[in-house]
Amino acid sequence: GENVEQHPSTLSVQEGDSAVIKCTYSDSASNYFPWYKQELGKGPQLIIDIRSNVGEKKDQRIAVTLNKTAKHFSLHITETQPEDSAVYFCAQGRKTSYDKVIFGPGTSLSVIP
Amino acid sequence: KAGVTQTPRYLIKTRGQQVTLSCSPISGHRSVSWYQQTPGQGLQFLFEYFSETQRNKGNFPGRFSGRQFSNSRSEMNVSTLELGDSALYLCASTQIRASTGELFFGEGSRLTVL
Repeated sequence: GENVEQHPSTLSVQEGDSAVIKCTYSDSASNYFPWYKQELGKGPQLIIDIRSNVGEKKDQRIAVTLNKTAKHFSLHITETQPEDSAVYFCAQGRKTSYDKVIFGPGTSLSVIP
Repeated sequence: KAGVTQTPRYLIKTRGQQVTLSCSPISGHRSVSWYQQTPGQGLQFLFEYFSETQRNKGNFPGRFSGRQFSNSRSEMNVSTLELGDSALYLCASTQIRASTGELFFGEGSRLTVL
């Protein structure tokens, strides 16, 4: 089936600390795992993505890891800043004739100055 | 380059009415996806269009429909509105495949059903 679980639903961290958000997916055919950030009043925006042939990807303070065997993938934000406060969504997609991206329920991250 | 444009941004309807929402994708993008966002439910997939054809559909009742025009602009329609249809409706475009590339979202149309 197609389902993405995401934890935690809310997360508060002190500025400068790290934040980790974890997702689990059920569709073993999924091969694309993006992360989106949604700021208040705006649409979600892609911040990083990873494909199934890669175990880890980094972009400055953001990193994503993928464990295909366990069907887990995680977002890591280091040295958090107040502007990181937003809702984060993990998602899964697969390259088939059925073309859609399934999103997790979201994590509301608050970075406390 | 202009982003994804959704109109109207806000609207209020009453139960039983119908509503049409519009989405203009980024120039050159041919795939348009629609999502419903409600608190606690995240982004629920409605449908995806490519070259005027619906390629995929989510688990929503038949009251939810959509279409895409030859210029890739898309509309979605909700008939016989219910209170539970109150949500932010987001449109996203991408060049070809929605499942393996970046989705570019609009700011959404916020629908309130009274």
